[in-house]
Amino acid sequence: KQEVTQIPAALSVPEGENLVLNCSFTDSAIYNLQWFRQDPGKGLTSLLLIQSSQREQTSGRLNASLDKSSGRSTLYIAASQPGDSATYLCAVLRNSGNTPLVFGKGTRLSVIA
Amino acid sequence: SQTIHQWPATLVQPVGSPLSLECTVEGTSNPNLYWYRQAAGRGLQLLFYSVGIGQISSEVPQNLSASRPQDRQFILSSKKLLLSDSGFYLCAWMVQGYSPLHFGNGTRLTVT
Repeated sequence: KQEVTQIPAALSVPEGENLVLNCSFTDSAIYNLQWFRQDPGKGLTSLLLIQSSQREQTSGRLNASLDKSSGRSTLYIAASQPGDSATYLCAVLRNSGNTPLVFGKGTRLSVIA
Repeated sequence: SQTIHQWPATLVQPVGSPLSLECTVEGTSNPNLYWYRQAAGRGLQLLFYSVGIGQISSEVPQNLSASRPQDRQFILSSKKLLLSDSGFYLCAWMVQGYSPLHFGNGTRLTVT
């Protein structure tokens, strides 16, 4: 059974710092991995999707990497801003889509001005 | 472009009352559809998912049910709500592994 773990559960950093969020999964047979952002009281917003054949994806100040063999992904946020404060969740998809994503519990990020 | 609509945004219901939450997707066909629940301070719990009309998979046994009467419509129901049904309910869709999972804005349900 696939399990997804995100460490740390919470993180507080000063504005301007570069930071890394970690995601690990137990079964390397994944189709893709996705990173989401959730603001308090809101739905999740997709940030980045990495297919199993890819090593990384970038969007603006965000960079997500994937190491399938070791069961790890990282989300790198450059030059953090207070507006980056949110909960970040990763999720893995086992096959092309007829099984649901497996989510981690998320990392709650606070960027202090 | 694709959009997902979920309503109502908030709902306060007494214990024992029925529930119906609706979710519709526009701009795509034959999406996979999902209902999640997020209790206060806890992670996302998958409740139901559907890969086609009339096809519902249940992830947890409870007093909730789901239906998919049309290709892009997903309904979450209960005949009698329990206090433990309180939470934040999220509908989501994706196309067969080729797209990210897209979420609606959620329904905050409080059972009193």
